[in-house]
This record gives sequence, C-alpha cells and structure tokens, in this order.
Amino acid sequence: QVQLQESGPGLVKPSETLSLTCAVSGYSISSGYYWGWIRQPPGKGLEWIGSIYHSGSTYYNPSLKSRVTISVDTSKNQFSLKLSSVTAADTAVYYCARLTPSLGCIWGQGTMVTVSS
Amino acid sequence: DIQMTQSPSSLSASVGDRVTITCRASQSISSYLNWYQQKPGKAPKLLIYAASSLQSGVPSRFSGSGSGTDFTLTISSLQPEDFATYYCQQSYSTPQVTFGPGTKVDIK
Repeated sequence: QVQLQESGPGLVKPSETLSLTCAVSGYSISSGYYWGWIRQPPGKGLEWIGSIYHSGSTYYNPSLKSRVTISVDTSKNQFSLKLSSVTAADTAVYYCARLTPSLGCIWGQGTMVTVSS
Repeated sequence: DIQMTQSPSSLSASVGDRVTITCRASQSISSYLNWYQQKPGKAPKLLIYAASSLQSGVPSRFSGSGSGTDFTLTISSLQPEDFATYYCQQSYSTPQVTFGPGTKVDIK
C-alpha cells in the first residue's frame, strides 16, 4: 500500500528557508492524486500548507502563499516543500499526505521542525 | 474558503459512554467530510471518509453521518484506547483542504 516518509533538517535558523522532502512508495505520483503538506504547531490543530498535482500544478494556503514553494520530482517519486523567511511561529510537526476528495488523506509519520538560533 | 467548526472543543467521558462530536462547514460540502483520530506524538488516523464510510480496520463502534453542512461522529461505547483528539476535514475543495479545530476526548 502507499506509504509516505518525510525527511529534512529538524532545526532551522530564523529568517532561513525550511526544506523538506516526502518520499512516496507503493504508488507512482505520476498516476494521479494530489499530494500535500500539512503542519501542526505544538499543542495546536492542523493547518493545510499547500498541494501539488503530478503535472506540477500547485495550490497554496493564502496565509502562507508568499513564502511557500512545493515541487514534484516524478523520476524520484517524491515531492518537496520550501518555506522561506521562517520564524518561531513556523515551529511545527510537518506532515506530507496524499489527498483525495472521496477517500480521505493518507499521511506520513510527520517530522518535527524547530525554528531557533 | 470553506471554514470548519467542531463542538464541543473538549469533553470528559467514561468507558462505555456514547460520545457524539459535531462538525459544521461554512457552506455545503455534500458528503466530502472525513474524520481523523490523533493520539499524542502520532499522525492523524483516518476513521471515517465520505461522511459515513468506515475505513478498513476501524472498529464498528465508530460511525459518521450527515451531509451538506452538518456532520456527526459517534462512538457507541467508548473504549480506553479511544481517548484522543478528533478532527473533521472537508475534502470538497481538494486540493485545498481544511480541518476543524479538534475535539479532545479525555477520561472523566
């Protein structure tokens, strides 16, 4: 079955760029579906960051749009997140997920990213 | 954007209790509503998709209902492993999804 695994630095300095990658196994990204990033600050709820289709079409949360870039590499069957100019407010667990209208989300296990000098 | 609300924000219940959580969308989302359970330090786990379909492997004490703007998650007989936080999520506007603020279920 499809599995997703996030990877990337666990500590990022303020004003720098957070970069994460989600490796997908058990399903080819090129076959379809939307792929997204969702985050959860400590003790808080879930916030959708953005999504990408295998064609490269992207959709971003308006509150983060100016700082977010999501890209896909179908040859490696993975997609990536870049969030620029980070502050302490960006400290969160970051999840990657497969998004479907009718079948819910399939989630990665999540990766904690702390923004601190 | 579609906004999601949940009530209550938290509840205390005992093992064996029937528990009901409500989710409301700011506009009609048909049946594009999913429910997740999250335990501390873990990723959300899909319980119910398409408002009322039980995800494979999820106990039958969990059920979902509703359509349009109003939805309900019911746990028919609360078990010790059910103490967690529950989130609703609209997938009507996929790839742009939104989540409810969550309902924390703890032990009375």
